[in-house]
Amino acid sequence: GQNIDQPTEMTATEGAIVQINCTYQTSGFNGLFWYQQHAGEAPTFLSYNVLDGLEEKGRFSSFLSRSKGYSYLLLKELQMKDSASYLCAVRGTYKYIFGTGTRLKVLA
Amino acid sequence: DSGVTQTPKHLITATGQRVTLRCSPRSGDLSVYWYQQSLDQGLQFLIQYYNGEERAKGNILERFSAQQFPDLHSELNLSSLELGDSALYFCASSGGEVDQPQHFGDGTRLSIL
Repeated sequence: GQNIDQPTEMTATEGAIVQINCTYQTSGFNGLFWYQQHAGEAPTFLSYNVLDGLEEKGRFSSFLSRSKGYSYLLLKELQMKDSASYLCAVRGTYKYIFGTGTRLKVLA
Repeated sequence: DSGVTQTPKHLITATGQRVTLRCSPRSGDLSVYWYQQSLDQGLQFLIQYYNGEERAKGNILERFSAQQFPDLHSELNLSSLELGDSALYFCASSGGEVDQPQHFGDGTRLSIL
């Protein structure tokens, strides 16, 4: 079957670092995407990994291990505006499979 | 602004009715995807079109159908509506290559009374 698992909720403090994990089992793999979604709004693209390793983009980094079916999103220097849901998505041959998302609360 | 336009933003209707949701993709994007997101749920993939042809189907009910027109805009038709169809419906578009992310519209919020 096809499955993506993420923690449902996480809490962190402003200025801290948080790591959001994602494990997946899919038939076919053409990359893993991370999206940010504020409540009631559209998801927005954060990062893409297709090869093993770390991709860094400013305060956000994403890591992929294809052999382990595992990815994480690392958010540094957390800001209040980072409070949102973070969606992990795997692209198969044509379809995208989305996880249910991790709701991150950033506390002052 | 993602460049993907969805209309209407809000739709309120009754059970048993039929509605049409419309999506215009970003300029140059050939792929259009439709998703359903119920309250506190993840994005459920419904269907994908590429340059007018259906390319992939997800958990789309038989009461739902979609098409992509020659000008690449897409419509999602929902019929015999039930209370459980109340959700946010997102359209996304991409260039179609595997490494290109999807860009999402602002969604249509459908409320069934």
